[in-house]
Amino acid sequence: DAGITQSPRYKITETGRQVTLMCHQTWSHSYMFWYRQDLGHGLRLIYYSAAADITDKGEVPDGYVVSRSKTENFPLTLESATRSQTSVYFCASRIGVNTEAFFGQGTRLTVV
Amino acid sequence: QKEVEQNSGPLSVPEGAIASLNCTYSDRGSQSFFWYRQYSGKSPELIMFIYSNGDKEDGRFTAQLNKASQYVSLLIRDSQPSDSATYLCAVNGKGGSYIPTFGRGTSLIVHP
Repeated sequence: DAGITQSPRYKITETGRQVTLMCHQTWSHSYMFWYRQDLGHGLRLIYYSAAADITDKGEVPDGYVVSRSKTENFPLTLESATRSQTSVYFCASRIGVNTEAFFGQGTRLTVV
Repeated sequence: QKEVEQNSGPLSVPEGAIASLNCTYSDRGSQSFFWYRQYSGKSPELIMFIYSNGDKEDGRFTAQLNKASQYVSLLIRDSQPSDSATYLCAVNGKGGSYIPTFGRGTSLIVHP
């Protein structure tokens, strides 16, 4: 399907486990972003990528790792999950620097 | 202090009234401004974008931008109960990549 898709939609994991959230877009957008959304904080940027093999930290990158070997994929890995990483994670993409971002459906992650 | 500020609300208006949502931003170099709507449990979706000072109208929605005052607003005319959602202001500002920074959102309730 065309668009931007995230998987899984829901995930429960244990503290200390590694977990990867997937993001795939079919538009060939240059920019991709990972945000987390928590009550009281709104959307906070974790990492972003301006193109394949180019990634950079956002506001809250600690504990997360990203890669972008292909334009269409931008996985987010929690290396050792902590309870504070319980959140809703949104992937987004956009075509250029001053254009709007399109969001995936989100992944609700619970770390127990 | 967050770079993009919004009143968290809730803003409660009667059906048919005008809802006015406000947003201020700190980065004078910001180039583009966006309003997203987010229903509970869903991902943000774009409503309006504005680049230049003044007003931009699209149906029942009007975005207003004042760069000198670092202020952007969204007016919703003839508000409907289906407009009840959280409205996120986003600003593409800092750095060469113009990363989108989001406010915490304003909750709007339109009551019949």
